[in-house]
Amino acid sequence: KAGVTQTPRYLIKTRGQQVTLSCSPISGHRSVSWYQQTPGQGLQFLFEYFSETQRNKGNFPGRFSGRQFSNSRSEMNVSTLELGDSALYLCASSTGTDLILNTEAFFGQGTRLTVV
Amino acid sequence: DAKTTQPTSMDCAEGRAANLPCNHSTISGNEYVYWYRQIHSQGPQYIIHGLKNNETNEMASLIITEDRKSSTLILPHATLRDTAVYYCIVNLGANSKLTFGKGITLSVRP
Repeated sequence: KAGVTQTPRYLIKTRGQQVTLSCSPISGHRSVSWYQQTPGQGLQFLFEYFSETQRNKGNFPGRFSGRQFSNSRSEMNVSTLELGDSALYLCASSTGTDLILNTEAFFGQGTRLTVV
Repeated sequence: DAKTTQPTSMDCAEGRAANLPCNHSTISGNEYVYWYRQIHSQGPQYIIHGLKNNETNEMASLIITEDRKSSTLILPHATLRDTAVYYCIVNLGANSKLTFGKGITLSVRP
């Protein structure tokens, strides 16, 4: 079956602009999580959506937001971009049917965002 | 903060077993030990997970100590393609917030 698909793969934006990233989870998966990866901070959790509702949230400013659609596809948005937002943004999907479960999260290839 | 402690790096020879240690002394009774790896410029890849018992799959084996305060990931026959950053994570489940530490960089040499 198809894996997690993230689009676009690469993006260059200017400071102050806003950006929307897209993630299509594996068919049947209802949980989508977003992570930011930078050389300095490593992999950091942004938020998780399940059945169109945000279920978990990391410690990021309100400029970072997301949503999930009825088909489980998810988007994340970053407004008023800063140079420090340059990062690899990763999306992960899992079945998400239970908070305490023993299945794995499947990650996409990520979107490389560069803010100039 | 990550709940795990891993060495920064290690290397092993191709074809030999790679034993990657992880300390998680504050793990709670209902938390699992997960291992993921990230090959350069790719998304993390699930390897294996366990609760109390040792686990084995086609990729690796996971040995968890009886007190659950530490574990070891074993790649039985390391190949050059196993060169990656390996993350040990303790978590309630795969879809809750995964807290990645710095991981351990495994370098497999020819």
